Amino acid sequence: DTAVSQTPKYLVTQMGNDKSIKCEQNLGHDTMYWYKQDSKKFLKIMFSYNNKELIINETVPNRFSPKSPDKAHLNLHINSLELGDSAVYFCASSQVIGQAYYGYTFGSGTRLTVV
Amino acid sequence: AQSVTQLDSHVSVSEGTPVLLRCNYSSSYSPSLFWYVQHPNKGLQLLLKYTSAATLVKGINGFEAEFKKSETSFHLTKPSAHMSDAAEYFCVVSPPSSNTGKLIFGQGTTLQVKP
Repeated sequence: DTAVSQTPKYLVTQMGNDKSIKCEQNLGHDTMYWYKQDSKKFLKIMFSYNNKELIINETVPNRFSPKSPDKAHLNLHINSLELGDSAVYFCASSQVIGQAYYGYTFGSGTRLTVV
Repeated sequence: AQSVTQLDSHVSVSEGTPVLLRCNYSSSYSPSLFWYVQHPNKGLQLLLKYTSAATLVKGINGFEAEFKKSETSFHLTKPSAHMSDAAEYFCVVSPPSSNTGKLIFGQGTTLQVKP
């Protein structure tokens, strides 16, 4: 029944590894997002997809590659993980009506720790 | 550029006393404004939202916020704090000119509730 679900909830990995975080929403929303929350709890958008099309890429390193196989899924793949990638990553979704966005719903987050 | 500023990084109140969390926004037009709450090690939960309807917005758990265009403010209040209100609170703006649904977060305010 979870509206926006992310897996895994926790991820501990070594520097240099490649890892993926998955996100799925069952709300029928058109738009999905990835946000990063740093150690100071500041949240900033990374990517946004609307109906599988990339519409926001906020100067994120190329090591981060989002993939949206369909509008209900938005996965985040990270290559060559660095210590600075340690953060909580939140997936979110919203509905578009005209040019307005409604119903933002966030997942519970994935805490990534790079050691 | 659109932005929000949360004027207090930390607010401490006693249980049963009023809560005031301050937020100012910067926008050329009337934006959509939100307050989100994040309990420790949890995801983000929407408290309330303003989308150009009534300027006094009521949310969940007894919280409300008033949109004041003349003061460019959207302060969050609650008449009587409960221990369970202790959390991180984020003021968020969605610029009306945005066609991407991007949310811009404030820096967050940590609410401490003392017994």
